[in-house]
Amino acid sequence: DAGVIQSPRHEVTEMGQEVTLRCKPISGHNSLFWYRQTMMRGLELLIYFNNNVPIDDSGMPEDRFSAKMPNASFSTLKIQPSEPRDSAVYFCASSRSLTWDREAFFGQGTRLTVV
Amino acid sequence: RKEVEQDPGPFNVPEGATVAFNCTYSNSASQSFFWYRQDCRKEPKLLMSVYSSGNEDGRFTAQLNRASQYISLLIRDSKLSDSATYLCVAANRDDKIIFGKGTRLHILP
Repeated sequence: DAGVIQSPRHEVTEMGQEVTLRCKPISGHNSLFWYRQTMMRGLELLIYFNNNVPIDDSGMPEDRFSAKMPNASFSTLKIQPSEPRDSAVYFCASSRSLTWDREAFFGQGTRLTVV
Repeated sequence: RKEVEQDPGPFNVPEGATVAFNCTYSNSASQSFFWYRQDCRKEPKLLMSVYSSGNEDGRFTAQLNRASQYISLLIRDSKLSDSATYLCVAANRDDKIIFGKGTRLHILP
């Protein structure tokens, strides 16, 4: 298995532009997580899905952020409009749900810089 | 109060020494616990799960204290390659997986 695949690996964009981050979870995993990591705030859970349904989006910072999971093999995180304070590394992770050993596997992350 | 709290460090420890980290969690409904390791500019990766009875994996020992709601990680005979950030993780029944901010460890030659 190729693991969790995120794209792009790096994104530099101007303030006000729309940014779309993409994630392909591991096949057979039915929980998917979006995290944001900064030095100041660490790894923050933004939203997670179970069987393609958003379960908890309380970590989404503002209405500028939205996430979708149209099918079991694809998810997007969109920021519109982007702001410099959105600069961070965004990780997607997937896991098998409802199992005792609920290891989360991470993608390599998308490093977003908003200038 | 953050759901999972850790001392950010850094811990600067000489090679060969023993080092211990603690982590506290606030949600008493948390069911599963883990330690992840994150190297600089890399993604987090599972180090070990934490079981109620405690568990050991080579030089690493993890303990869970449900009554006090804390988790610990002990590293014996530390190696230079152990230098990393160690993330404490709690997961609840609904699969919500929450990470602490991490503890930075530097092993000194």
